[in-house]
Amino acid sequence: GEEVAQTPKHLVRGEGQKAKLYCAPIKGHSYVFWYQQVLKNEFKFLISFQNENVFDETGMPKERFSAKCLPNSPCSLEIQATKLEDSAVYFCASSQRDRGFQYFGAGTRLSVL
Amino acid sequence: QQPVQSPQAVILREGEDAVINCSSSKALYSVHWYRQKHGEAPVFLMILLKGGEQKGHEKISASFNEKKQQSSLYLTASQLSYSGTYFCGTGDQFYFGTGTSLTVIP
Repeated sequence: GEEVAQTPKHLVRGEGQKAKLYCAPIKGHSYVFWYQQVLKNEFKFLISFQNENVFDETGMPKERFSAKCLPNSPCSLEIQATKLEDSAVYFCASSQRDRGFQYFGAGTRLSVL
Repeated sequence: QQPVQSPQAVILREGEDAVINCSSSKALYSVHWYRQKHGEAPVFLMILLKGGEQKGHEKISASFNEKKQQSSLYLTASQLSYSGTYFCGTGDQFYFGTGTSLTVIP
């Protein structure tokens, strides 16, 4: 497609529940990035993929966060046992190159209660 | 490692100019600029790939000083539609700047 599609738009979870977010990158884009935006002015990098391979995962809290990009499937970001501090907007972006500019999806707002 | 932007916030009247600065402690090979409106996704504005390069987009332009590891975004004759939060992004795209909130009022 011509846009990065993220689903769902909103997700509400009780503390300790699992949350799974999806991202379909723009067709032809090899790189996918996940970011967490808690406060309006801060983007925290989580992980990036080059096709189905992890490119950089230095931002991932590995204990509870995991992500995949499998062929012919949307990419996913999963949070096991969510905590209150996981409440944020999670953005996915895709790019043709690792240093190319990024197209962002509309984001998934995760609320952990 | 996150680039630092200044100012943090600015309020302009329509028609006024503004400059937003982005400084990195790491060597910059390229700089990207994005604008995010409230409740929306960031939108790409421009990319600067070489030191000293300046690029323009309507009344928004940017410069990139590789030696100083800095980039500046220039907004001239601001319009109401320019309101939003502006982010710079380092070339490896894993770090976005601290953000600058810009509000244009009539």
